[in-house]
Amino acid sequence: NAGVMQNPRHLVRRRGQEARLRCSPVKGHSHVYWYRQLPEEGLKFMVYLQKENIIDESGMPKERFSAEFPKEGPSILRIQQVVRGDSAAYFCASSPLRLPKETDTQYFGPGTRLTVL
Amino acid sequence: DAKTTQPNSMESNEEEPVHLPCNHSTISGTDYIHWYRQLPSQGPEYVIHGLTSNVNNRMASLAIAEDRKSSTLILHRATLRDAAVYYCILRALDDKIIFGKGTRLHILP
Repeated sequence: NAGVMQNPRHLVRRRGQEARLRCSPVKGHSHVYWYRQLPEEGLKFMVYLQKENIIDESGMPKERFSAEFPKEGPSILRIQQVVRGDSAAYFCASSPLRLPKETDTQYFGPGTRLTVL
Repeated sequence: DAKTTQPNSMESNEEEPVHLPCNHSTISGTDYIHWYRQLPSQGPEYVIHGLTSNVNNRMASLAIAEDRKSSTLILHRATLRDAAVYYCILRALDDKIIFGKGTRLHILP
C-alpha cells in the first residue's frame, strides 16, 4: 500500500502568488488533516476534512487559506497571496477513523516545504 | 485541552535502552496516550498508544503509571535511526492531535 503522498515536495513562490499543495491519502482513508510546521517549532493543526466536507477548520487562518477534499482526487490546501510568514513545512495526514476515536492513528506524508521569496 | 510535559532533549548511547518520560497530570479517564516521532526532514510517524495497561509493539513499549498521570516510552535498544523528536499526545473524543514541542532524542555512536 502506498502511504500518504504529497506534492510538490518543495515549492517556491514570490510574495503575492498562490500556492497549491496536494495530498493523496492512504487508499481507503476518507479523513484528511493538514498541519503547518514553522522552522524549529512543533506541528500546528490547521484543518480536518472528510470527503467533500470540512469538519474542523479551527486552526486555519481566517484569510487567504482554504482547503478542500473533493469526492474524486487529492485534498488541496490553497494559500492565496502568499507572504514570507507562510514559509513553512505543510504536512498532510490521513486516517481510517477507527472507533473509538481516541484510538485512531494518523499516517503522515513527507510534507511540502513552501518558501516564499 | 489536556496537556503533556516532556523534557526538551535527551541523549542516549547506541544499543542501550532509552526511557522517554511524559507527564500528563490533567489526563481524563477516557484520554488515550499516543506517541509519535518525527525523524529529521520527515513527517511524524505513529509509534504506540495505550489507555491503562502497558503496551508493546515492534517499535517500542509504553509504560503507563497506575494513576495515569505519567507514562514512559521505552526504546529497548536505540540505534542511530531512532534519533528524532518524540511527541507524547493525549487523544480525547476531539479528533485533533495537539503536538507539543516534544523531546529531541540524540543517539551517541
